[in-house]
Amino acid sequence: EVQLVESGGGLVQPGGSLRLSCAASGFSFSSYWMSWVRQAPGKGLEWVANIKQDGSEKYNVDSVKGRFTISRDNAKNSLFLQMNSLRAEDTAVYYCARYSGSPPGLRYWGQGTLVTVSS
Amino acid sequence: DIQMTQSPSTLSASVGDRVTITCRASQSISSWLAWYQQKPGKAPKLLIYKASSLENGVPSRFSGSGSGTEFTLTISSLQPDDFATYYCQQYNSYLTWTFGQGTKVEIK
Repeated sequence: EVQLVESGGGLVQPGGSLRLSCAASGFSFSSYWMSWVRQAPGKGLEWVANIKQDGSEKYNVDSVKGRFTISRDNAKNSLFLQMNSLRAEDTAVYYCARYSGSPPGLRYWGQGTLVTVSS
Repeated sequence: DIQMTQSPSTLSASVGDRVTITCRASQSISSWLAWYQQKPGKAPKLLIYKASSLENGVPSRFSGSGSGTEFTLTISSLQPDDFATYYCQQYNSYLTWTFGQGTKVEIK
């Protein structure tokens, strides 16, 4: 059974940092692109970042460029999101998701972890 | 960046109704579009991929159509379990993805 379990969320002050983790199991983690998607309270979904199977390609939304870094450790079946210079507008539930290229789609999602940026 | 515009934002309907949600892309995305269903407090669920392909296990009352810049999600006969929020997503390339703002389907 495919499982994605996020952790690392919490309350952080504006300007602070947080590192989210996503533990993957039940599939060959190193074979898939992985993504982070977030959802601010009461708002819609926003794609945050993608990372290729071997970590050689990374992409993210303009609003987090230079502040957030996606990474992965295939030996530990883990996905990460390092978040620096956090702002109030980064407050959201952060989901990790597995992207399947064939057929294409975000087919498996974690339960999400809440990040609250507030003083 | 490619913008995705969904309409309507909210839709009130009754069980048994035929429901249509539209998603427009700011530029052509061929058929690189997915539809997701999300219920409160839950992660999204993939319904449709490549604009018109039904995900395994999704009821056949859901269907998708379109290509280029205009896409549609149709629920042929709304069921109680279908009251939720629906999002389109373009994945034209890995460089940047975009979700629509969502359509909440409410009980009339």
